[in-house]
This record gives sequence, structure tokens and C-alpha cells, in this order.
Amino acid sequence: GAVVSQHPSRVICKSGTSVKIECRSLDFQATTMFWYRQFPKKSLMLMATSNEGSKATYEQGVEKDKFLINHASLTLSTLTVTSAHPEDSSFYICSASSFGRAEAFFGQGTRLTVV
Amino acid sequence: AQSVTQLGSHVSVSEGALVLLRCNYSSSVPPYLFWYVQYPNQGLQLLLKYTSAATLVKGINGFEAEFKKSETSFHLTKPSAHMSDAAEYFCAVSGELTGGGNKLTFGTGTQLKVEL
Repeated sequence: GAVVSQHPSRVICKSGTSVKIECRSLDFQATTMFWYRQFPKKSLMLMATSNEGSKATYEQGVEKDKFLINHASLTLSTLTVTSAHPEDSSFYICSASSFGRAEAFFGQGTRLTVV
Repeated sequence: AQSVTQLGSHVSVSEGALVLLRCNYSSSVPPYLFWYVQYPNQGLQLLLKYTSAATLVKGINGFEAEFKKSETSFHLTKPSAHMSDAAEYFCAVSGELTGGGNKLTFGTGTQLKVEL
């Protein structure tokens, strides 16, 4: 299957700072990337959908000014958690899909801890 | 709109026993269906997918699933469980392909435990 690389796998940051998470499709062009948040022992909550070159579409209840998503190329999307607070601590996962494909491929996830 | 119901948040089987993880879906359009596996602190790995071809789909690691339209089900099975199968399993559904890829709707997941 296709490979999606997410970096970093773990990050600890101080409250009030910003953190950037990268999601790269290594061997295919990702026309669409998705960002999820996963709480402990819970399913994945879709945060936003981004299409290359367009503004991201956020799900209801997700603060777009707090979770900045950029999808500037067909192989890279970034999620920036701005002014992070302890309640933003979570497991964030990206996935990537391409035109005409039914399935999405997932990154390894990023464990964010805000202290 | 699509939705997925996974019956049983926890399933425990003995090593060598049959694995059966249940998934029922709801979709207003012909669905695409997926099973993903997640190991602790990792992303999701695609096990198999149904995209309107054969109703019995074979995936990786010996898993397979059967699409039954009349029952709106897509249950995941494996004839003989292995210790390495212990993980969280997610069923997902999507609808018609859109211009840039498909938004997946996930079930709540089933934690599979394999005992000696």
C-alpha cells in the first residue's frame, strides 16, 4: 500500500506555544488529506479535510483558528496547533487519499502533550 | 450520509480460535467499506476494502470480510487467531468518490484480545 509519513511521532510543548505536525505522502500524490484526533480508547474524530491548494474544510466544533491546516503541495499537509493548552493533548493522525481512490492511508500518528 | 456500528467494544478469543468482528453500516449510496487495524500509539493500517467488486474480500494477515447487502453487514473474520492479532480494529464506510478522495466514517472500534 501507499506510504504516509507523519512527523513528529511525539511532542511535548509548553502551554501557550504552537506546534506543527507534518504529514507527507511518500509515494503518491495526495489530492486530499484528512486530520483526525483520537482520544484514549475512542474512535477517530475527523477535524478537517484539506484539498491541495484550497482552504481546509473544518468539521463542526473544530476551531479553525486554533488548528491551522495547510496543504500547499500534493505530498505535504501540516497541522499547526496554535497557543496550545493541556486540553489539546491528544493523539493526532493524518490520512491521505488521491483522486479516484476509495481508501485512505494513514500516518503513524503524533502524540501531543501540552504541559 | 453514512454510519457504522461495531457490535462489541471488546472481543476476546483464544489463540487458534476463530476471530469474528462485527460491523453493520448505513449508507444512502452504494458504500465502500474498509477494515483498519491500529496497534498502540500507531496510525491505522488498511486490512482490506470492499469497492463493489467481489463480495468476499481477502486482506492482509489472513483476514477476510464478506459484504452482505441484505444484512448491511461487513463482518471481519480470521480462521485462526494469533497473538499478534491483538489490536484495535475499526470498520469504516464511505460513499461516492468525490473529486479528491473519500471521507471515511469510522465505527467506535473493537479491541481484540488474544489469549493463550
